[in-house]
Amino acid sequence: QVQLVQSGAEMKKPGSSVKVSCKASGDTFKGYTVSWVRQAPGQGLEWMGRVIAVLGMPEYAEMFQGRVTITADESTETAYMELRSLTSDDTAMYFCARGSTSGWLVDYWGQGTLVTVSS
Amino acid sequence: NFLLTQPHSVSESPGKTLTIPCTRSSGNIDSSFVQWYQQRPGGSPTTVIYEYHQRPSGVPDRFSGSIDSSSNSASLTISGLRTEDEADYYCQSSYGSHWVFGGGTKVTVL
Repeated sequence: QVQLVQSGAEMKKPGSSVKVSCKASGDTFKGYTVSWVRQAPGQGLEWMGRVIAVLGMPEYAEMFQGRVTITADESTETAYMELRSLTSDDTAMYFCARGSTSGWLVDYWGQGTLVTVSS
Repeated sequence: NFLLTQPHSVSESPGKTLTIPCTRSSGNIDSSFVQWYQQRPGGSPTTVIYEYHQRPSGVPDRFSGSIDSSSNSASLTISGLRTEDEADYYCQSSYGSHWVFGGGTKVTVL
């Protein structure tokens, strides 16, 4: 049974950073991509970026360029998303998702991590 | 870049067939694959259709995907509606490796 297990909820102050983890359980990230998608309260899905796990090559959505870093650690089968200079607009549920490198199937999603930004 | 437009909500009775359109604002709908995700209340998204019409294992064949070049849109069709199909559905396509999501459609099974 494959699971993507994300780290727990975070409360952050404006201007700070958050780092969310996503660990593959029961399988691997090798040969896959890991994408990060966020969802503000009551809103739709928004793609933040992705990394090809084996190559460690990240790509980011334009609106997050310079503020987000996505990495994958092969040795621990864990992917990370770090978002800096947080504002209240970054309050959202953050999801990781495992995808194929040879097609467009996303086969597993994490359970989500709620990040709340408030002074 | 382009936008994907979905109706905000649709509703239908159990056992009926429902279709959700997803219209691409610019560029051809067949220039990049379209995926569909289901998100039940309080849950994570799951893939119900990928690469226009492919179903992941475990997704019932009540779910089907298609594209229509004349309207530059993709569609998700759910037949034999069940109450468990009540959820938000999102279409997604891409430019290069960058994902673009539609705004999502709330499906209510009356």
